[in-house]
Amino acid sequence: DVKVTQSSRYLVKRTGEKVFLECVQDMDHENMFWYRQDPGLGLRLIYFSYDVKMKEKGDIPEGYSVSREKKERFSLILESASTNQTSMYLCASSLYQGIAKNIQYFGAGTRLSVL
Amino acid sequence: AQTVTQSQPEMSVQEAETVTLSCTYDTSESDYYLFWYKQPPSRQMILVIRQEAYKQQNATENRFSVNFQKAAKSFSLKISDSQLGDAAMYFCGWAQGGSEKLVFGKGTKLTVNP
Repeated sequence: DVKVTQSSRYLVKRTGEKVFLECVQDMDHENMFWYRQDPGLGLRLIYFSYDVKMKEKGDIPEGYSVSREKKERFSLILESASTNQTSMYLCASSLYQGIAKNIQYFGAGTRLSVL
Repeated sequence: AQTVTQSQPEMSVQEAETVTLSCTYDTSESDYYLFWYKQPPSRQMILVIRQEAYKQQNATENRFSVNFQKAAKSFSLKISDSQLGDAAMYFCGWAQGGSEKLVFGKGTKLTVNP
């Protein structure tokens, strides 16, 4: 089974702090994604990466950056956390090609509170 | 931009009965895929069912089936013999063929009553 692991289930940070959310997948997937989930808004794509050191902005990249130094790890960085970044963050991964193309596998999520 | 609309924020169903969740999408593409994902409370989101747009036959996975109406751009999910474990948020998703990105709807919260 594909396993996507997010390092923290819950995080509480203060305004202005630099925050790192980590995600690791164990299935050698090329693609990795960071989403933000808010009630009534569904899932919105922040960034995705299709290869090591490659990244592409999603729909709401403002206030976020990402890092992918190794294929299995994709980090979301909040350079200076703000209260409007309080949310559930979901990481996902997918194969680049083949019959499983486009099927994304999700982590359990990190619920971030910024005070 | 492609959009996915789930018009029912919440639905409820009695255990053992059938429920249908609605999803419509807007696209001018001919090559695309459609998905339903399930997110149980405090648990990981998982794929329920996937449909290729070029296939006329509706996808089925055990108690889950879809009604794919390509001309109407409609992709509803039918859950038969509902079980308590079906209670979850359900998200409809769309992906263009050749793209790795999914566009999700806002979700439908399904409650299953015993």
